[in-house]
Amino acid sequence: ETGVTQTPRHLVMGMTNKKSLKCEQHLGHNAMYWYKQSAKKPLELMFVYNFKEQTENNSVPSRFSPECPNSSHLFLHLHTLQPEDSALYLCASSQGLDREAPSGNTIYFGEGSWLTVV
Amino acid sequence: GNSVTQMEGPVTLSEEAFLTINCTYTATGYPSLFWYVQYPGEGLQLLLKATKADDKGSNKGFEATYRKETTSFHLEKGSVQVSDSAVYFCALSDRGGYSTLTFGKGTMLLVSP
Repeated sequence: ETGVTQTPRHLVMGMTNKKSLKCEQHLGHNAMYWYKQSAKKPLELMFVYNFKEQTENNSVPSRFSPECPNSSHLFLHLHTLQPEDSALYLCASSQGLDREAPSGNTIYFGEGSWLTVV
Repeated sequence: GNSVTQMEGPVTLSEEAFLTINCTYTATGYPSLFWYVQYPGEGLQLLLKATKADDKGSNKGFEATYRKETTSFHLEKGSVQVSDSAVYFCALSDRGGYSTLTFGKGTMLLVSP
């Protein structure tokens, strides 16, 4: 078990659909992240939540809507996506902002959700 | 801003060959450095990390040394196996609080029997 669980692992959706990706972490962390991995591109940070508060939004289009109801759960709501949004979406978690981290926090990833937009 | 540069792949090796994947970085301050591995069809797994200059991270026979003078964190393994075939990502994070990783583009390693 990875400690960070993502569902579904695979999702195919039409451009007019509304769907959600779910992430749950069992590591007692307080920061959670969404990353996007596209072919031949570096991993892109999308959103960061720290103690349920969104602290970063890297100019992500509004058709992606994150939700963090508590420190253990993170959602990514999807609506009216485009084919170029097809990618692997990775959830991750780490210690939160109130922890001393002189050595840098380690981020732990889930196995990802493969999204295909048709 | 921060950036990470990795050698382009794929790197193709025979089993038991020596592996080096180069990684250099640009950052302000004193970042922590990481290598992550992604096996086919899976997410990223932390392979090793180093948090200060001259630290050596090691795991599963892989090693990397944090070289501040050359701003490098090259990944090495003395004898690769077919099961090491994967994509390897070098990354850095700023110190303190929660972290946001800056990744390199990844280097695919293919090991043949």
